[in-house]
Amino acid sequence: DADVTQTPRNRITKTGKRIMLECSQTKGHDRMYWYRQDPGLGLRLIYYSFDVKDINKGEISDGYSVSRQAQAKFSLSLESAIPNQTALYFCASSRDSLDTQYFGPGTRLTVL
Amino acid sequence: ELKVEQNPLFLSMQEGKNYTIYCNYSTTSDRLYWYRQDPGKSLESLFVLLSNGAVKQEGRLMASLDTKARLSTLHITAAVHDLSATYFCAVDKETSGSRLTFGEGTQLTVNP
Repeated sequence: DADVTQTPRNRITKTGKRIMLECSQTKGHDRMYWYRQDPGLGLRLIYYSFDVKDINKGEISDGYSVSRQAQAKFSLSLESAIPNQTALYFCASSRDSLDTQYFGPGTRLTVL
Repeated sequence: ELKVEQNPLFLSMQEGKNYTIYCNYSTTSDRLYWYRQDPGKSLESLFVLLSNGAVKQEGRLMASLDTKARLSTLHITAAVHDLSATYFCAVDKETSGSRLTFGEGTQLTVNP
């Protein structure tokens, strides 16, 4: 079984809809992250969390919110989706500041 | 603002040849990570470089870090088709760790 899982894997939605992407990890990591990937831009950090009570904005947090429901779960919400939020979204987790990050399989989101 | 630049962005090479991918970054950091992404897949961790002069090798890939030059290299020796993928470097700019800035990625194609 995968250590970092994401649901859904694919989602098509309409402009203005609220949508939630979910992430779970079984690695026992405290740190979790949300990124988006656009062609030619690499990955950009949306939000990150060092533990359940510590949530921080990344470089592109506008239009997004997150919830850390438990050590193992970190959800990303788009309150009112817009077409330029169409992208591939990755969740990741890590053990500590020196550890590599372990990525989930990704969610492909299309906003029409 | 931390900028991470990779070159080349596209690399087509023949099997058996050697080549190097470069990763330059704009501010001081001594933590650099390399990842591999296959088409339609997630990111897989390749190397973690945590100090000046660090060198790591795995199979046909070798990564190094020069923090004074703000440069990391990923050297490919005797390329094989299975190495075809997109390679990303990522730099951690925070002393608390875990806030990665990614390069745009180098899309490598190894031709028979």
